[in-house]
Amino acid sequence: GNSVTQMEGPVTLSEEAFLTINCTYTATGYPSLFWYVQYPGEGLQLLLKATKADDKGSNKGFEATYRKETTSFHLEKGSVQVSDSAVYFCALSEAGGTSYGKLTFGQGTILTVHP
Amino acid sequence: NAGVTQTPKFRVLKTGQSMTLLCAQDMNHEYMYWYRQDPGMGLRLIHYSVGEGTTAKGEVPDGYNVSRLKKQNFLLGLESAAPSQTSVYFCASSSRLAGGPRMYGQFFGPGTRLTVL
Repeated sequence: GNSVTQMEGPVTLSEEAFLTINCTYTATGYPSLFWYVQYPGEGLQLLLKATKADDKGSNKGFEATYRKETTSFHLEKGSVQVSDSAVYFCALSEAGGTSYGKLTFGQGTILTVHP
Repeated sequence: NAGVTQTPKFRVLKTGQSMTLLCAQDMNHEYMYWYRQDPGMGLRLIHYSVGEGTTAKGEVPDGYNVSRLKKQNFLLGLESAAPSQTSVYFCASSSRLAGGPRMYGQFFGPGTRLTVL
């Protein structure tokens, strides 16, 4: 079956530090890959996505590249802010019409950014 | 547009009680999903629906039932609540058109925090 593994957390950084959150996956075919963000007390919001190998998703200064050879989709940001403090989820949606967009999530990584 | 809304936001139940969680979306999406979120486990799919009048089991369906009588609503029922069902429940929706969920992902509601004593 499909699975997503994220780096162990929580992650604590100072403002303006570089962020990397690792994500690797196991899936058949060509899944779409996503990063979702959950701010305290809220639901999940789509942060960025990639639908094929070597695609780079980007949004709000965050980036992630779909690496099929290493089955990875690591999230990066060059300079984090206090407002980036949240829980980040890596997820995949497998290919095929009968997948109906079902998502398989990683366990989530808590990010705390201090001033 | 309100997007995806969930009712109630919080609920405390005693073991054995029943309740229904309501999810509503105003985006005319065909697909709807119920997830539960537990610490260290991410989100896990309980049930989903690909259209009005259809439902299907996800990864963790035991102890839950669902109904989709109207396209915009997706109900999650707990017939006899157990402490293991203490969790945060999220509803989501997505469109099957124009690349659908593979292109645009899913849209999530704000969640319902349920405690079963």
